[in-house]
Amino acid sequence: AQSVTQLGSHVSVSEGALVLLRCNYSSSVPPYLFWYVQYPNQGLQLLLKYTSAATLVKGINGFEAEFKKSETSFHLTKPSAHMSDAAEYFCAVTKGNTGNQFYFGTGTSLTVIP
Amino acid sequence: EADIYQTPRYLVIGTGKKITLECSQTMGHDKMYWYQQDPGMELHLIHYSYGVNSTEKGDLSSESTVSRIRTEHFPLTLESARPSHTSQYLCASSGFGGPFEQFFGPGTRLTVL
Repeated sequence: AQSVTQLGSHVSVSEGALVLLRCNYSSSVPPYLFWYVQYPNQGLQLLLKYTSAATLVKGINGFEAEFKKSETSFHLTKPSAHMSDAAEYFCAVTKGNTGNQFYFGTGTSLTVIP
Repeated sequence: EADIYQTPRYLVIGTGKKITLECSQTMGHDKMYWYQQDPGMELHLIHYSYGVNSTEKGDLSSESTVSRIRTEHFPLTLESARPSHTSQYLCASSGFGGPFEQFFGPGTRLTVL
């Protein structure tokens, strides 16, 4: 079975501070991992993805994530938070099989304090 | 411009009404999905389709039904809406092969009174 666990349903950071959103996965096969962002009243937008190439993945808006197989983690980071980063963030895993079914975490709500 | 569209964006309706949530994509994708999203919960897959005339139920049991008569169109229907159907419904699509990312529509927020 596949699943993802996002530690911390709410994270608050000051503007300019480091953003760290945690995601741990369980998968019986090498996974493909994704981070999505959701702004209020909108759908999900892809931030970045890991598909077994480089373990450090860079995404849009200055975000990056590192795949650590030994820790089964795929944490999302950004060196300096901006007010516009306030949103809901979802980690997702898929085996990349024919159906391409995704399994999502419960999400982390990021608040940026001015 | 390639995109994925959902209508309506917001819907408030009374119990017992039949409703259809529309989803269309101009991305040329063969796979399409419907998710149900509630606050503080993960997205739950309720239906998916690999192509025309192909539909499957997802992990979350749902009283809704779907159809895929055209590649670009994947409507979701509730024959008799109930308050328990109140939720946000997200449509997504992805390309052939994998693991292509899923692209999401803006969602439909449904409230059943």
